[in-house]
Amino acid sequence: GAVVSQHPSRVICKSGTSVKIECRSLDFQATTMFWYRQFPKQSLMLMATSNEGSKATYEQGVEKDKFLINHASLTLSTLTVTSAHPEDSSFYICSARVGPDPRETQYFGPGTRLLVL
Amino acid sequence: AQKVTQAQTEISVVEKEDVTLDCVYETRDTTYYLFWYKQPPSGELVFLIRRNSFDEQNEISGRYSWNFQKSTSSFNFTITASQVVDSAVYFCALRKEYGNKLVFGAGTILRVKS
Repeated sequence: GAVVSQHPSRVICKSGTSVKIECRSLDFQATTMFWYRQFPKQSLMLMATSNEGSKATYEQGVEKDKFLINHASLTLSTLTVTSAHPEDSSFYICSARVGPDPRETQYFGPGTRLLVL
Repeated sequence: AQKVTQAQTEISVVEKEDVTLDCVYETRDTTYYLFWYKQPPSGELVFLIRRNSFDEQNEISGRYSWNFQKSTSSFNFTITASQVVDSAVYFCALRKEYGNKLVFGAGTILRVKS
């Protein structure tokens, strides 16, 4: 299957700081990438859809000013958690769709564990 | 609205036993996709299968098999002769045909003991 990477895999930061998470498609171009959040022992919830060259589409209840998404190229999307607080501690997973066809499968990155102290 | 229910929170089996993970879904769409993903302790989601709503044929891939029953809105996953490496959280997910959003079930923790 297609390979998606994330960096960093784990990050610990102080409350009030901003953290940037990168998501890269390694062997394909991804017009669309997705950011999910997973709390411990819970399911994944879609936060936003990231489209190359345009603004991200956020799910209801997700603060766009807090979770900044940039999709500057066909292989890279970034999620910045601004002014992070302990309640933002979570597992953030990105996925990328192979090709522009919305029927295509999404492949997931390895995830980033964020701990805000 | 779309919804996926995985009623089994956790299942424990002994190696070599067969195990079935249940998935029931709700959707008003006539065309949709169903998925199964595996999440090992490392956290990465591993794609296992995608099934179109028009394709009700059961599928087998090695020790894995899937039973899609549109009449009961179920898409169950069976692992034959389970192994310790099968221990993971398994997620069933649903998506509209042309939608972006994957709706995940709560997941089933599978523990395979040697």
